Amino acid sequence: DGGITQSPKYLFRKEGQNVTLSCEQNLNHDAMYWYRQDPGQGLRLIYYSQIVNDFQKGDIAEGYSVSREKKESFPLTVTSAQKNPTAFYLCASSIEGANVLTFGAGSRLTVL
Amino acid sequence: AQSVTQLDSHVSVSEGTPVLLRCNYSSSYSPSLFWYVQHPNKGLQLLLKYTSAATLVKGINGFEAEFKKSETSFHLTKPSAHMSDAAEYFCVVSDRGNNRLAFGKGNQVVVIP
Repeated sequence: DGGITQSPKYLFRKEGQNVTLSCEQNLNHDAMYWYRQDPGQGLRLIYYSQIVNDFQKGDIAEGYSVSREKKESFPLTVTSAQKNPTAFYLCASSIEGANVLTFGAGSRLTVL
Repeated sequence: AQSVTQLDSHVSVSEGTPVLLRCNYSSSYSPSLFWYVQHPNKGLQLLLKYTSAATLVKGINGFEAEFKKSETSFHLTKPSAHMSDAAEYFCVVSDRGNNRLAFGKGNQVVVIP
């Protein structure tokens, strides 16, 4: 079945450490996205990529980095510069030019 | 820039009674509108979408929504709530001029047996 796989589902990090969240899709979608979800805040866009080797900052990119070396993969690194990284992170994809998103199951990051 | 307002962050309904979740939007262009549902610790799933065809849109699981341009609203309804409808619901707007999406803050729905 086609879909988006995010890993790990749960991740704990000490302050000052970088962590990388994986996102893989087999939908042949061109565009991929990372969102951050906090309770009562809705979803906020971190980064998005419309084609391989290209990506743009979203509304809250500070303290995060991404890469898009393959069409199927869009990993997100949460760096030590992110002041409040504890959150639920959602990866999504879409056909280029479309605005209907398919979401992964999410990764919950907790900073200890 | 487009934006979405969802009132009533928490909504309680009795099983078998109607569900109404309100959504008002702001958009500079002809909008596309969506409702997504999220069950605990899961990703979001598309319930339905409006993209300038019929103003009454039917979605999955018995949900429907009506686009009212004069009221800038896209309220979500279901005639009879089921226990499995307990989840968080997000209204989303996208301007035709770009593919950026604006999410509402969500409605947490509790279904009382």
